[in-house]
Amino acid sequence: GEDVEQSLFLSVREGDSSVINCTYTDSSSTYLYWYKQEPGAGLQLLTYIFSNMDMKQDQRLTVLLNKKDKHLSLRIADTQTGDSAIYFCAETLSGGYNKLIFGAGTRLAVHP
Amino acid sequence: DAGVTQSPTHLIKTRGQQVTLRCSPKSGHDTVSWYQQALGQGPQFIFQYYEEEERQRGNFPDRFSGHQFPNYSSELNVNALLLGDSALYLCASSRDTEKGAFFGQGTRLTVV
Repeated sequence: GEDVEQSLFLSVREGDSSVINCTYTDSSSTYLYWYKQEPGAGLQLLTYIFSNMDMKQDQRLTVLLNKKDKHLSLRIADTQTGDSAIYFCAETLSGGYNKLIFGAGTRLAVHP
Repeated sequence: DAGVTQSPTHLIKTRGQQVTLRCSPKSGHDTVSWYQQALGQGPQFIFQYYEEEERQRGNFPDRFSGHQFPNYSSELNVNALLLGDSALYLCASSRDTEKGAFFGQGTRLTVV
């Protein structure tokens, strides 16, 4: 079935790296996404990875995908207070017409 | 480019009433999807419109209906409102041939 799971909370010190984890169950996932949501706002697309790739880097963001274990992670280097937000992992499935299936979100808190 | 715009931003309705939410997609986008985000949860897919037709639907009752206009803008209608319909309603637009979706700021619906 369609299921995306994330840990609910992560606290890091400013300047450290953050790693947010996600697992999914459906083998027909085609693309996996990371979205960011700040308080009172909509969702901002951060990055995405094709399910046949194992890594993608975009400036401070690194996405790692372990397709065998159905595990996705987002690493944020040099985490700043402005990175404090909720991060959602999402997937689209084969034939899914860009229908996004989201996890419950991980709240990232960055402290001095 | 104004991005995805939604109106209104906030709305309070009484149980049993009907509500219409509106969305204008990002310029160049032809596909509009609607999501419901309850407090503390990830967005849940309601339905998607493409070429003025409902192309895909999530697990929502028939009280939820929609429309897409020739200019690609869209409406979400909810009839016979329940207290449980209180949520943030997000509109996402995309281009059918591309991956990922861009979200609006959402409409916060409160049913009392």
